[in-house]
Amino acid sequence: TQLLEQSPQFLSIQEGENLTVYCNSSSVFSSLQWYRQEPGEGPVLLVTVVTGGEVKKLKRLTFQFGDARKDSSLHITAAQPGDTGLYLCAGEGAAGNKLTFGGGTRVLVKP
Amino acid sequence: EAEVAQSPRYKITEKSQAVAFWCDPISGHATLYWYRQILGQGPELLVQFQDESVVDDSQLPKDRFSAERLKGVDSTLKIQPAELGDSAMYLCASSLGFRGYEQYFGPGTRLTVT
Repeated sequence: TQLLEQSPQFLSIQEGENLTVYCNSSSVFSSLQWYRQEPGEGPVLLVTVVTGGEVKKLKRLTFQFGDARKDSSLHITAAQPGDTGLYLCAGEGAAGNKLTFGGGTRVLVKP
Repeated sequence: EAEVAQSPRYKITEKSQAVAFWCDPISGHATLYWYRQILGQGPELLVQFQDESVVDDSQLPKDRFSAERLKGVDSTLKIQPAELGDSAMYLCASSLGFRGYEQYFGPGTRLTVT
């Protein structure tokens, strides 16, 4: 069974501060996805990283896939209240399109 | 923009009762997934369909849960009898294909078992 551990479980920061969320596993994934989920809604895909060492930027969000494709990080620069939500990482196994989700990191950005 | 539709959005039921959830995927999406998300945790895959066939139901509690996608389009997930531990968000997702395609999630059904 492939497991993904996210840390921290909860982050509370002031508007304008930076934050980093980590996603770690002992397993190798063919790709890793990051989602954001609002209360009462389904997850929405932010980015997919495929290549070891890959870095992708989405405005103020920077995603990195570890060289060994076992871990990933999400960094938010100058966080805004609109960044508040549950951030989920999900890894796709080599066998097919089956996603294993991490437990999530709840981010609260206070104005 | 095409979306995955789910109903009902909220359901309260008493334990030992039967409950059913419905999902209509994005048109043309061959693969459909049902996930369960317990409060404070990430989604867990319950069942995956490719057209009308079940591809993976290894995590589906088959003694009480059943899922069908008879015509390869919309799908129903049923629980009978419901237990207190079934209280969770049930998410449906769809994708164009089986591998390497983005999954689009619906808004979910929030189930509370009393």
